[in-house]
Amino acid sequence: SYVLTQPPSVSVAPGQTATITCAGDNIGYKSVHWYQQKTGQAPVLVVYEDRVRPSGIPERLSGSNSGNTATLTISRVAAGDEADYYCQVWDTNTVVFGGGTKLTV
Amino acid sequence: VQLVESGGGLVQTGGSLRLSCAGYGFTFGTYWMTWVRQAPGKGLEWVANIKQDRSERYYVDSVKGRFTISRDNAKNSLYLQMDSLRVEDTAVYYCARDWVGTHSFDHWGRGTLVTVSS
Repeated sequence: SYVLTQPPSVSVAPGQTATITCAGDNIGYKSVHWYQQKTGQAPVLVVYEDRVRPSGIPERLSGSNSGNTATLTISRVAAGDEADYYCQVWDTNTVVFGGGTKLTV
Repeated sequence: VQLVESGGGLVQTGGSLRLSCAGYGFTFGTYWMTWVRQAPGKGLEWVANIKQDRSERYYVDSVKGRFTISRDNAKNSLYLQMDSLRVEDTAVYYCARDWVGTHSFDHWGRGTLVTVSS
């Protein structure tokens, strides 16, 4: 089965840029989606199809995908960005989530 | 768009539970729908999904043969029948709408907690 690997945690100072990676075998050939989940809340889709932001998601959040790594980049990080972030793909009729990355600001 | 789950609760090992998810504010029958769960303190785990016309249903290996996903488009409702429950099925269960053609999930419910005790 397909496996997505994320770093358990990323720490960044306010105003800096956070980079969260999602590694998978030839993930560049798949569409990658990203979710933000704040404590006690349901996940929120923040990027789909590698780099598309849903309505209402700020431009500070951006995605890319190439080779064996997809990346979610958050610019000008603020305290409100502190959350768990999950990558996700669709592979052979199954949905696969990464293990999640806790972003600490 | 709103998704509202119900049916969670406390059940003993080997027991059954049926979760429901009601959809509001969109044409329910035109979307794939999905169940995702999250064990306490753990990450997201996809459970099952179902196509608009029920012609395709897929499950994570750990629930195959025990869980059944279904839907009633006339009632704008999604269901998850859970049988032979195990302690490791303890989780918050979310229903989510599959964003058209992408298999990403653009709307989620608040979740319903299922606790399986031994």
